[in-house]
Amino acid sequence: GQNIDQPTEMTATEGAIVQINCTYQTSGFNGLFWYQQHAGEAPTFLSYNVLDGLEEKGRFSSFLSRSKGYSYLLLKELQMKDSASYLCAVLGDSNYQLIWGAGTKLIIKP
Amino acid sequence: GAVVSQHPSRVICKSGTSVKIECRSLDFQATTMFWYRQFPKQSLMLMATSNEGSKATYEQGVEKDKFLINHASLTLSTLTVTSAHPEDSSFYICSAFGTSRHEQYFGPGTRLTVT
Repeated sequence: GQNIDQPTEMTATEGAIVQINCTYQTSGFNGLFWYQQHAGEAPTFLSYNVLDGLEEKGRFSSFLSRSKGYSYLLLKELQMKDSASYLCAVLGDSNYQLIWGAGTKLIIKP
Repeated sequence: GAVVSQHPSRVICKSGTSVKIECRSLDFQATTMFWYRQFPKQSLMLMATSNEGSKATYEQGVEKDKFLINHASLTLSTLTVTSAHPEDSSFYICSAFGTSRHEQYFGPGTRLTVT
């Protein structure tokens, strides 16, 4: 079956660094996405990885290892506004349909 | 980036009535759009894949006669919740891929409350 796992909740301190992990088992792989979702709002796109390695975009970086079925999202210099849910999603066999993880709720403390 | 809009953003309706939600791609053409539902503190649940000019593909457990989807043009898909009940109260979100599969753009969502 198709399965994506990520921690339910994480807590971090303002100014610090946090890494949110995602492991996946899917019947196909055409890329992995990370989205940010604030409460009551729609998800917003953060990153897309299809090749192994690290993609850096400002304070956010995303890493992918296809052989391990593993990705992480790294958030640096945490700000209070980073408190949100972070969703990991895989584009599997289907041409356009994403397989979603349950999301990780990130709580930032002062 | 590409923009997807939804209308209305919030709607309250009485049990037994029908509600239509519109999803538009504003600056690109979307042959495929997705409809999601999200209950409080839960992740997105894909309801159906909407294909322009053809019938929508519904996920298992989603009643196609209750959730009517029409994708009549490359920029508009509609979801009609028929004979709504309180358990249909949820956050409904549409999305579309742009010119590539590298980004899926989400509408702002529609908060439906059925009383």
